[in-house]
Amino acid sequence: RKEVEQDPGPFNVPEGATVAFNCTYSNSASQSFFWYRQDCRKEPKLLMSVYSSGNEDGRFTAQLNRASQYISLLIRDSKLSDSATYLCVVGIRSNDYKLSFGAGTTVTVRA
Amino acid sequence: DADVTQTPRNRITKTGKRIMLECSQTKGHDRMYWYRQDPGLGLRLIYYSFDVKDINKGEISDGYSVSRQAQAKFSLSLESAIPNQTALYFCATSPSRTGASGANVLTFGAGSRLTVL
Repeated sequence: RKEVEQDPGPFNVPEGATVAFNCTYSNSASQSFFWYRQDCRKEPKLLMSVYSSGNEDGRFTAQLNRASQYISLLIRDSKLSDSATYLCVVGIRSNDYKLSFGAGTTVTVRA
Repeated sequence: DADVTQTPRNRITKTGKRIMLECSQTKGHDRMYWYRQDPGLGLRLIYYSFDVKDINKGEISDGYSVSRQAQAKFSLSLESAIPNQTALYFCATSPSRTGASGANVLTFGAGSRLTVL
Protein backbone atom coordinates (compact mmCIF):
# COMPACT_ATOMS: atom_id res chain seq x y z
CA ARG A 1 0.00 0.00 0.00
CA LYS A 2 1.35 3.43 -0.86
CA GLU A 3 2.15 5.67 2.07
CA VAL A 4 0.23 8.56 0.56
CA GLU A 5 -2.61 8.08 -1.91
CA GLN A 6 -4.48 10.62 -3.94
CA ASP A 7 -7.24 10.48 -6.53
CA PRO A 8 -5.34 11.47 -9.66
CA GLY A 9 -8.39 13.17 -11.18
CA PRO A 10 -8.58 15.11 -13.34
CA PHE A 11 -11.18 17.28 -11.71
CA ASN A 12 -12.61 19.48 -14.45
CA VAL A 13 -14.57 22.38 -13.00
CA PRO A 14 -15.96 25.67 -14.34
CA GLU A 15 -14.65 28.98 -13.13
CA GLY A 16 -16.27 29.98 -9.89
CA ALA A 17 -17.00 26.43 -8.79
CA THR A 18 -15.86 24.78 -5.60
CA VAL A 19 -13.68 21.72 -5.86
CA ALA A 20 -12.51 19.47 -3.06
CA PHE A 21 -10.37 16.37 -2.88
CA ASN A 22 -8.72 14.20 -0.30
CA CYS A 23 -5.46 12.47 0.36
CA THR A 24 -5.12 9.42 2.59
CA TYR A 25 -1.99 8.39 4.45
CA SER A 26 -1.14 5.00 5.88
CA ASN A 27 1.18 5.76 8.77
CA SER A 28 -0.64 6.79 11.92
CA ALA A 29 2.61 8.25 13.26
CA SER A 30 2.53 10.98 10.59
CA GLN A 31 3.12 14.36 12.16
CA SER A 32 3.12 17.06 9.53
CA PHE A 33 1.04 17.63 6.47
CA PHE A 34 1.32 19.89 3.47
CA TRP A 35 -0.26 20.69 0.16
CA TYR A 36 2.09 21.61 -2.67
CA ARG A 37 1.06 22.90 -6.06
CA GLN A 38 2.83 21.82 -9.22
CA ASP A 39 2.26 23.43 -12.59
CA CYS A 40 2.92 21.38 -15.69
CA ARG A 41 6.62 20.53 -16.04
CA LYS A 42 7.56 22.89 -13.22
CA GLU A 43 8.74 22.47 -9.66
CA PRO A 44 6.37 21.88 -6.75
CA LYS A 45 5.74 24.91 -4.57
CA LEU A 46 4.27 25.00 -1.11
CA LEU A 47 0.60 25.92 -1.16
CA MET A 48 -0.09 25.54 2.53
CA SER A 49 0.74 23.57 5.62
CA VAL A 50 -2.14 21.68 7.19
CA TYR A 51 -2.75 22.14 10.89
CA SER A 52 -4.73 19.92 13.26
CA SER A 53 -7.47 22.49 13.65
CA GLY A 54 -7.75 23.06 9.93
CA ASN A 55 -6.67 26.25 8.26
CA GLU A 56 -7.65 28.62 5.54
CA ASP A 57 -5.63 30.74 3.15
CA GLY A 58 -7.84 32.89 1.01
CA ARG A 59 -9.90 30.61 -1.20
CA PHE A 60 -8.08 27.49 -0.02
CA THR A 61 -9.11 25.47 3.02
CA ALA A 62 -7.23 22.47 4.34
CA GLN A 63 -8.51 19.99 6.88
CA LEU A 64 -6.85 17.13 8.74
CA ASN A 65 -8.73 14.09 10.00
CA ARG A 66 -6.32 12.05 12.10
CA ALA A 67 -8.90 9.41 13.05
CA SER A 68 -9.53 8.51 9.42
CA GLN A 69 -6.02 9.43 8.31
CA TYR A 70 -6.79 11.85 5.54
CA ILE A 71 -6.29 15.46 4.68
CA SER A 72 -8.43 17.48 2.34
CA LEU A 73 -8.12 20.57 0.21
CA LEU A 74 -11.04 22.71 -0.82
CA ILE A 75 -10.78 25.46 -3.40
CA ARG A 76 -13.61 27.99 -3.48
CA ASP A 77 -14.45 30.31 -6.37
CA SER A 78 -12.03 28.50 -8.70
CA LYS A 79 -9.90 30.59 -11.03
CA LEU A 80 -8.32 29.55 -14.31
CA SER A 81 -4.98 30.02 -12.59
CA ASP A 82 -5.85 27.29 -10.08
CA SER A 83 -5.36 24.68 -12.82
CA ALA A 84 -2.47 22.59 -11.57
CA THR A 85 -1.58 19.32 -9.91
CA TYR A 86 -1.88 19.37 -6.13
CA LEU A 87 0.55 17.18 -4.23
CA CYS A 88 -0.19 15.86 -0.78
CA VAL A 89 2.91 15.57 1.40
CA VAL A 90 3.09 13.83 4.76
CA GLY A 91 5.97 14.00 7.22
CA ILE A 92 6.95 11.29 9.67
CA ARG A 93 9.63 11.50 12.32
CA SER A 94 11.19 8.17 13.24
CA ASN A 95 14.96 7.78 13.21
CA ASP A 96 15.01 10.73 10.91
CA TYR A 97 12.46 12.94 9.32
CA LYS A 98 10.86 11.59 6.18
CA LEU A 99 8.49 13.24 3.73
CA SER A 100 6.24 11.07 1.58
CA PHE A 101 4.62 12.49 -1.54
CA GLY A 102 1.37 11.56 -3.16
CA ALA A 103 1.29 11.31 -6.94
CA GLY A 104 -0.95 14.35 -7.15
CA THR A 105 -4.50 15.36 -8.01
CA THR A 106 -4.94 17.28 -11.25
CA VAL A 107 -7.43 20.13 -11.31
CA THR A 108 -8.45 21.85 -14.53
CA VAL A 109 -10.55 24.99 -14.29
CA ARG A 110 -12.34 25.89 -17.52
CA ALA A 111 -13.72 29.25 -18.60
CA ASP B 1 18.12 34.56 -9.79
CA ALA B 2 16.43 31.42 -8.51
CA ASP B 3 17.00 30.37 -4.90
CA VAL B 4 17.74 26.80 -6.02
CA THR B 5 19.42 26.37 -9.39
CA GLN B 6 19.74 23.10 -11.25
CA THR B 7 21.92 22.38 -14.25
CA PRO B 8 21.42 21.10 -16.85
CA ARG B 9 17.71 21.67 -17.27
CA ASN B 10 17.45 19.08 -20.02
CA ARG B 11 19.79 16.30 -21.00
CA ILE B 12 19.58 13.44 -23.45
CA THR B 13 22.21 10.76 -23.10
CA LYS B 14 22.90 7.17 -24.01
CA THR B 15 22.91 4.03 -21.92
CA GLY B 16 26.18 3.55 -20.07
CA LYS B 17 27.19 7.21 -20.00
CA ARG B 18 28.09 9.00 -16.79
CA ILE B 19 25.87 11.95 -16.01
CA MET B 20 26.12 14.62 -13.33
CA LEU B 21 23.27 16.87 -12.30
CA GLU B 22 24.26 19.89 -10.28
CA CYS B 23 22.38 21.91 -7.72
CA SER B 24 23.29 25.13 -6.01
CA GLN B 25 21.29 27.23 -3.55
CA THR B 26 21.34 30.72 -2.11
CA LYS B 27 18.82 30.03 0.65
CA GLY B 28 21.49 29.33 3.25
CA HIS B 29 19.76 26.05 4.09
CA ASP B 30 21.76 23.19 5.53
CA ARG B 31 19.56 20.42 4.20
CA MET B 32 19.58 19.40 0.56
CA TYR B 33 17.76 16.62 -1.27
CA TRP B 34 17.54 14.90 -4.62
CA TYR B 35 14.19 13.54 -5.79
CA ARG B 36 13.01 11.95 -8.98
CA GLN B 37 9.50 12.25 -10.39
CA ASP B 38 7.93 9.73 -12.73
CA PRO B 39 4.42 9.96 -14.24
CA GLY B 40 1.80 8.55 -11.90
CA LEU B 41 4.22 8.30 -8.99
CA GLY B 42 4.96 10.68 -6.16
CA LEU B 43 8.35 12.26 -5.83
CA ARG B 44 10.79 9.67 -4.53
CA LEU B 45 13.85 10.53 -2.47
CA ILE B 46 17.18 9.46 -3.90
CA TYR B 47 19.70 10.98 -1.46
CA TYR B 48 19.73 13.69 1.14
CA SER B 49 22.31 15.63 3.11
CA PHE B 50 21.80 17.53 6.35
CA ASP B 51 25.26 19.07 6.37
CA VAL B 52 28.42 19.20 4.31
CA LYS B 53 29.82 15.97 5.74
CA ASP B 54 26.49 14.18 5.93
CA ILE B 55 25.18 11.94 3.14
CA ASN B 56 22.18 9.63 3.49
CA LYS B 57 20.49 7.21 1.14
CA GLY B 58 16.87 7.71 0.31
CA GLU B 59 14.38 5.12 -0.84
CA ILE B 60 15.81 4.68 -4.36
CA SER B 61 19.57 5.29 -4.15
CA ASP B 62 20.73 2.31 -6.24
CA GLY B 63 22.47 3.46 -9.40
CA TYR B 64 23.05 6.98 -8.04
CA SER B 65 25.71 8.74 -6.01
CA VAL B 66 25.96 12.25 -4.60
CA SER B 67 28.55 14.74 -3.49
CA ARG B 68 28.02 17.65 -1.10
CA GLN B 69 30.85 19.90 -2.11
CA ALA B 70 29.81 22.84 0.03
CA GLN B 71 26.80 23.98 2.00
CA ALA B 72 25.38 25.48 -1.16
CA LYS B 73 26.17 22.68 -3.61
CA PHE B 74 24.83 19.15 -3.93
CA SER B 75 25.41 17.11 -7.08
CA LEU B 76 23.83 13.86 -8.23
CA SER B 77 25.69 11.39 -10.43
CA LEU B 78 24.54 8.49 -12.50
CA GLU B 79 27.69 6.43 -12.99
CA SER B 80 26.28 4.36 -15.85
CA ALA B 81 22.91 5.64 -16.98
CA ILE B 82 20.15 3.22 -17.93
CA PRO B 83 16.82 3.91 -19.66
CA ASN B 84 14.71 3.45 -16.51
CA GLN B 85 16.54 6.42 -15.01
CA THR B 86 14.72 8.60 -17.51
CA ALA B 87 12.80 10.98 -15.26
CA LEU B 88 12.43 14.53 -13.99
CA TYR B 89 14.94 15.17 -11.21
CA PHE B 90 14.44 17.81 -8.55
CA CYS B 91 16.87 19.22 -6.07
CA ALA B 92 15.35 20.72 -2.93
CA THR B 93 16.47 22.46 0.24
CA SER B 94 15.02 23.01 3.68
CA PRO B 95 15.99 24.78 6.88
CA SER B 96 17.65 22.58 9.46
CA ARG B 97 16.15 23.64 12.72
CA THR B 98 13.10 21.59 13.69
CA GLY B 99 10.31 23.82 14.84
CA ALA B 100 11.68 26.87 13.08
CA SER B 101 9.33 28.71 10.85
CA GLY B 102 9.37 26.93 7.54
CA ALA B 103 11.13 23.90 8.95
CA ASN B 104 10.46 20.80 6.88
CA VAL B 105 9.15 22.94 4.04
CA LEU B 106 11.00 22.22 0.84
CA THR B 107 12.13 24.74 -1.75
CA PHE B 108 12.62 23.04 -5.10
CA GLY B 109 14.80 23.81 -8.07
CA ALA B 110 13.20 24.02 -11.49
CA GLY B 111 14.07 20.42 -12.31
CA SER B 112 16.40 18.56 -14.64
CA ARG B 113 14.74 16.44 -17.30
CA LEU B 114 16.94 13.47 -18.12
CA THR B 115 16.34 11.09 -21.01
CA VAL B 116 18.45 7.96 -21.29
CA LEU B 117 18.28 6.27 -24.69
